[in-house]
Amino acid sequence: AQKITQTQPGMFVQEKEAVTLDCTYDTSDQSYGLFWYKQPSSGEMIFLIYQGSYDEQNATEGRYSLNFQKARKSANLVISASQLGDSAMYFCAIQGGSEKLVFGKGTKLTVNP
Amino acid sequence: AAGVIQSPRHLIKEKRETATLKCYPIPRHDTVYWYQQGPGQDPQFLISFYEKMQSDKGSIPDRFSAQQFSDYHSELNMSSLELGDSALYFCASSLRTSAFGPYEQYFGPGTRLTVT
Repeated sequence: AQKITQTQPGMFVQEKEAVTLDCTYDTSDQSYGLFWYKQPSSGEMIFLIYQGSYDEQNATEGRYSLNFQKARKSANLVISASQLGDSAMYFCAIQGGSEKLVFGKGTKLTVNP
Repeated sequence: AAGVIQSPRHLIKEKRETATLKCYPIPRHDTVYWYQQGPGQDPQFLISFYEKMQSDKGSIPDRFSAQQFSDYHSELNMSSLELGDSALYFCASSLRTSAFGPYEQYFGPGTRLTVT
């Protein structure tokens, strides 16, 4: 079984600053993937970034980077140069051998002007 | 780029009625997943299909059934609706690029079901 823990129910950040959203995971699978999704108030689920368990380099996608520390079982999302449009719910998820995504409870990010 | 299409986007039903949700995956994607997200909750996996065969099953009530058709679109059928079925239902699709995952899943915009 897989489990995702997001310990920050809410986070605040000033526009143009960087913010880190925490995610720790638990799995017995040797091969797994870690995902981050953004869910704005409109409801859609937007794929942001993916990290495979065997990837040695941390994933990056534009302003998003994933700080993957396998020994600590953490996969934190770093958003650089925050924008007002980044205000949303952010979900960390894990996929193991069963292919289904298991999500954390999410972190609500608010970007202040 | 083409995305996952879901219809309808909004649906209002009464208790004990039936509902059918449709999902059209990204072209050439061979796997479809269904998730249910209750108000203020994280998405919960319901069921998935690979090449028209059920590949995994989660916490899907017996009142719900789903299938994937020859054109890869999928339908989620929900009967005897209950108030607790009110939720956002997502369909996601992926392409199996190898025998073993993980596989990136791309979500549709969701269908918001309200049961009154």
